[in-house]
Amino acid sequence: ETGVTQTPRHLVMGMTNKKSLKCEQHLGHNAMYWYKQSAKKPLELMFVYNFKEQTENNSVPSRFSPECPNSSHLFLHLHTLQPEDSALYLCASSHLGTSGASYEQYFGPGTRLTVT
Amino acid sequence: AQSVTQLDSHVSVSEGTPVLLRCNYSSSYSPSLFWYVQHPNKGLQLLLKYTSAATLVKGINGFEAEFKKSETSFHLTKPSAHMSDAAEYFCVVSSASGGSYIPTFGRGTSLIVHP
Repeated sequence: ETGVTQTPRHLVMGMTNKKSLKCEQHLGHNAMYWYKQSAKKPLELMFVYNFKEQTENNSVPSRFSPECPNSSHLFLHLHTLQPEDSALYLCASSHLGTSGASYEQYFGPGTRLTVT
Repeated sequence: AQSVTQLDSHVSVSEGTPVLLRCNYSSSYSPSLFWYVQHPNKGLQLLLKYTSAATLVKGINGFEAEFKKSETSFHLTKPSAHMSDAAEYFCVVSSASGGSYIPTFGRGTSLIVHP
């Protein structure tokens, strides 16, 4: 399989549940990202990992916990979420340059999360 | 610091007429610029990118964009809209701001195509 895959595609969870979102990239990239996309709001960058090290955390609540065991896999662990956390969660990967290079991102199809 | 402004939240066109989606950017460094498209309930797909080569960039599905440094713009155009072009479009800037190349996304422009 090629590209960026995300599982599950849809998830409904209660506020007391614990669940995880999974992202996998088969493109040989060194950076992976989590974004939150809510209706009527701009795309929100949540976390960035570069070579498995977290380099960005945009003031995300602790009920979202990322994990990056290797450069190909990224998880988002969810616990005690709120209804306002319902959104499309997108994973992306790219090369990430540090000396004069910017590269395009490749996105997965997203996980549609509904918190009840 | 870097930022990007998509000047229209919605653009409505008739099928077969030209498309213009406007984007202005701000960057302290030489930027790379991208346009992505997102169809309903899908992830984002790269349309085209500018990375300091030719200022007129051709992308997929007949789209193109022109980098104008003097105007700090990177507008997306297509000569003739198709119904399948109806989607959300995002302009993105990436530069060495802050020592990394984390991209900054615009708020998106919804393209509506009428038959």
